[in-house]
Formats: sequence, C-alpha cells, structure tokens
Amino acid sequence: AQSVTQLDSQVPVFEEAPVELRCNYSSSVSVYLFWYVQYPNQGLQLLLKYLSGSTLVKGINGFEAEFNKSQTSFHLRKPSVHISDTAEYFCAVSERKNNNDMRFGAGTRLTVKP
Amino acid sequence: DARVTQTPRHKVTEMGQEVTMRCQPILGHNTVFWYRQTMMQGLELLAYFRNRAPLDDSGMPKDRFSAEMPDATLATLKIQPSEPRDSAVYFCASGRGSVNTEAFFGQGTRLTVV
Repeated sequence: AQSVTQLDSQVPVFEEAPVELRCNYSSSVSVYLFWYVQYPNQGLQLLLKYLSGSTLVKGINGFEAEFNKSQTSFHLRKPSVHISDTAEYFCAVSERKNNNDMRFGAGTRLTVKP
Repeated sequence: DARVTQTPRHKVTEMGQEVTMRCQPILGHNTVFWYRQTMMQGLELLAYFRNRAPLDDSGMPKDRFSAEMPDATLATLKIQPSEPRDSAVYFCASGRGSVNTEAFFGQGTRLTVV
C-alpha cells in the first residue's frame, strides 16, 4: 500500500520568509498527491492536488508544490509566508486505481513568527 | 456554502458507554470517509463508503466499531463499548464521482472517553 513521509514535524519561520515543507511518498503504482491544511479546531482543507499534467501545481493562499517522480517527492512551497499561514499541513497520497484509499502523512506544524 | 456537517462537535463519555457520531455529507457526494486523528497515530482511515455501500472498513476495530449509511444524507460511526483509547478527533469527509480527486472534511467530533 502507499505511504507518505513528512520529513519535518515542525517548521518555524519568520514572517515574509520563504518556506518549504517536505513530503516523500512510496507506492508501486501511479498516484495522486495532495496537500491539506488544518487550522486549530478545524477539519482539513485542500490546498492543492496533483492528478496529472504539469508537475508544478499552484494552490490557494499562494502555495505551490512540485511533483518529482524520480525522487518520489511532492514538496510544498511558499515564497513569503504570513502569520495566518500558521497551521498543520498534511501531505496525502492515493493510488490511481484505488483512489478512495487516501493515506496521510504525520503532518508538519508550520509556525510563522512576527 | 456546501459543507460536511458532523455532530456532535464534542463528546465526553464514560468508558463502556455507546457513542454515536453523525455525518451529513455534501449533497450529491457519493463517497464518505471516516478518519480518526490522534497525536500518536496521526490521521487514520477507518472506513469508506461508495453509494452507501461499505467498500473498505479494514482500518476499523471490528469488535467495537461499526459504520453505516442509513441513507445518502447520513453516515454514522458507532463505538460500543467505548474505551479510553478511543479518545480522538473523528473526521468525516465526502467526495464525488468514480474518481475521487478531493475529500471535503467536516470539522470533526472530539471524543473523550473517561
């Protein structure tokens, strides 16, 4: 079955600095990839997804991610973060043939400091 | 503004009691997921349904957990009897189509079993 590893459990950054949240996946078949954000006491909200086509995916709130098949990675980036970006970020993967079985990483807590 | 609705938002119960969590998926969505989130295990897929039929509940402890969809507008997750280790946030999510490319999450039910 597919799995996801988020390499950093916590990432502290200063406001207006760039940030990269790392995600690596494992699967023997083709996959769909997702990034979700969770604000305190809220459910998860989709930031962006890679289904096919261009490997650079742009999402909401200025985030983007790049699918790298050779490195099995899907890192999330933002060139300049805001205080309001402080949240938990989850990378997720599902196999194309069984795409209802979506597996999530352990999450990365992004803390943006003033 | 279509969204997944979960009730109750919070539940505190004593060990041994039955707990029922409810979810109203977004109208028109035909896939429903149940996830459990804990600090130790992160987000775990418990079960999912397509067109009200259970497709996979392998992530769910069968002896005490049960999930059903009495109709297209209601999904339930029951725990009987509940145990302290069941304390977690339970999320319901819904999606549509035969190819699931996004899951819309509810705000979750925070369950505490004492």
